[in-house]
Amino acid sequence: AQKVTQAQTEISVVEKEDVTLDCVYETRDTTYYLFWYKQPPSGELVFLIRRNSFDEQNEISGRYSWNFQKSTSSFNFTITASQVVDSAVYFCALSALNSGYALNFGKGTSLLVTP
Amino acid sequence: DTAVSQTPKYLVTQMGNDKSIKCEQNLGHDTMYWYKQDSKKFLKIMFSYNNKELIINETVPNRFSPKSPDKAHLNLHINSLELGDSAVYFCASSRTETNEQFFGPGTRLTVL
Repeated sequence: AQKVTQAQTEISVVEKEDVTLDCVYETRDTTYYLFWYKQPPSGELVFLIRRNSFDEQNEISGRYSWNFQKSTSSFNFTITASQVVDSAVYFCALSALNSGYALNFGKGTSLLVTP
Repeated sequence: DTAVSQTPKYLVTQMGNDKSIKCEQNLGHDTMYWYKQDSKKFLKIMFSYNNKELIINETVPNRFSPKSPDKAHLNLHINSLELGDSAVYFCASSRTETNEQFFGPGTRLTVL
């Protein structure tokens, strides 16, 4: 069975602060994929990143960065110099053969960035 | 051009009715999915199709029936709607099963 835990339900920061969203996962598959999606107040689900279990390199994309650590089964997401437009619910998800590669989502972290 | 589209965007109906939600993707993807997002924003897989064949059929009531007439379409038909079916339903597609999934805008279903 797969499980994704996003322990932070809600985070509130002031603009320009850095913020890290935590994601811890469980799976027995040796090959799996990790994802982050953003859901802004308008409701659509926006793909942010996909990593496979064999690639532990951290990734940076503009103000976004991701830290994948297999040793702690974590795939954390950091937003540097947060902006009001970053306010959204962020979902971490896991897919693996055991679940037919469907996305198993965490419960999401609601991020509020205030001016 | 919209990559994954769903119609309708909003659906308000009475208990007991039958309704359908349509999904189309123009990305040339092989795999399509239906997810349900409940009032607490929890997202859960319902069905997955690969090249028109059913791959995943999670524990959903058999009042829900997906239909894939071709690779680009995956429709969701719901019979005898119940209050608990109220949710946002998202269609998604991916190039293969292991690739990132792209989501449609969602259909907000309200059962009165």
